[in-house]
Amino acid sequence: QLQLQESGPGLVKPSETLSLNCTVSGGSISATTYYWGWIRQPPGKGLEWIGTVYYSGRTYYNPSLTSRVTISVDTSKNQFSLRLNSVTAADTAVYYCARRGYDLLMFDHWGQGTLVTVSS
Amino acid sequence: EIVLTQSPGTLSLSPGEGASLSCRASQSVRKYLAWYQQRPGQAPRLLIYGASSRATGIPDRFSGSGSGTDFTLTISRLEPEDFAVYYCQEYNTPTSGTFGGGTKVDIK
Repeated sequence: QLQLQESGPGLVKPSETLSLNCTVSGGSISATTYYWGWIRQPPGKGLEWIGTVYYSGRTYYNPSLTSRVTISVDTSKNQFSLRLNSVTAADTAVYYCARRGYDLLMFDHWGQGTLVTVSS
Repeated sequence: EIVLTQSPGTLSLSPGEGASLSCRASQSVRKYLAWYQQRPGQAPRLLIYGASSRATGIPDRFSGSGSGTDFTLTISRLEPEDFAVYYCQEYNTPTSGTFGGGTKVDIK
């Protein structure tokens, strides 16, 4: 059964870089029929798509975040990662990783999410 | 960028009643629309994709309809576990992924 698990610091200082990993188990991140993505949700608010990566390293980002975000993939670890630089309090959110279909681009499997707080 | 507007913001209903949730897109997404359910403290769960196809394991009391710019999620008879927040999402291209603002279905 496919599982995704986010990991990384729960507290990041303003102006620093947020870094998270998503480890995939029960399936291969190199599968050609899937993308892998990040979504976030500020406390009490709605969902925001951050970006998507293919196993080849090809990426797609939300235009509102593209200047600050980098998503990468490490097929040897069956893992993909998120880096968001120059964070502010507005980046405080639960960050989810998820699997996205290649032909049908909805998110069909999600990690449990991890709360990242930006505060000094 | 496509904007998805969900209505109403909150729907107060009793168990056993039916629910109708709306999602309107600012431009056509054809049938590339999904619905997700999010219970408190949990990750979203895919309910509907392709506007009307149920995801694996989703009960048939959930149904989706629409195409182009107007979509509806219908829950035929609300069970206690259905009281949650529902989001629509368009997925027309790999560069898109906008979510609607959500509709909360709470107990009347």
